[in-house]
Amino acid sequence: EIVLTQSPGTLSLSPGERATLSCRTSQSIGSSYLAWYQQKPGQAPRLLIYGASSRASDTPDRFSGSGSGTDFALTISRLEPEDFAVYYCQQYGNSKWTFGQGTKVEIK
Amino acid sequence: QVQLQQWGAGLLKPSETLSLTCAVYDESLSGYYWNWIRQPPGKGLEWIGEINHSGNTNYDPSLKSRVTISVDTSKSHFSLKLSSVTAADTAVYFCARSLRQWRKYYFDYWGQGILVTVSS
Repeated sequence: EIVLTQSPGTLSLSPGERATLSCRTSQSIGSSYLAWYQQKPGQAPRLLIYGASSRASDTPDRFSGSGSGTDFALTISRLEPEDFAVYYCQQYGNSKWTFGQGTKVEIK
Repeated sequence: QVQLQQWGAGLLKPSETLSLTCAVYDESLSGYYWNWIRQPPGKGLEWIGEINHSGNTNYDPSLKSRVTISVDTSKSHFSLKLSSVTAADTAVYFCARSLRQWRKYYFDYWGQGILVTVSS
């Protein structure tokens, strides 16, 4: 089973700052299989990034994804008030989906 | 715009069977997989299993012995049954559509989520 480990657990930043979130996989995966989601309280997750670096249709361009192999990242270039939320990475492999444990981006 | 609407019992006693249904609107079931994902209070997302329009299923190994996912294409519904529930099964349960195509492996449409509480 591929395990996804996200870091840090919590990121305390101010609006306008840059956020970098990490997702490491326990085995190398193809970038096609890595996606990122944003979740706000009381809501379902929302797809942000797929294929490690492709933005979903309604994802603002301040969000970018990168990485390959076992190391992936989600970067928010300048935090807007609506970006404070929990972010999850997700992978697919061997007919199974797994998620990271999440990174909370909170207002400092 | 695809819509997923889910319903089912929100309060169960230990040992009972959880039963949820998700209706799919404005989209055919064909060509996609339809999933159940849960989230314990204050915790992360856990994939339960998936089904396609033909009834082919995959389950998370940790839940496989207790899970059944079925599909009713005539009603454009799919359903989850989880047997012998315990307090550890208390969670918000989401239904979701997944794509599995070149460079597109993700969940793009989600239901609203239902909190299922297991308590005696």
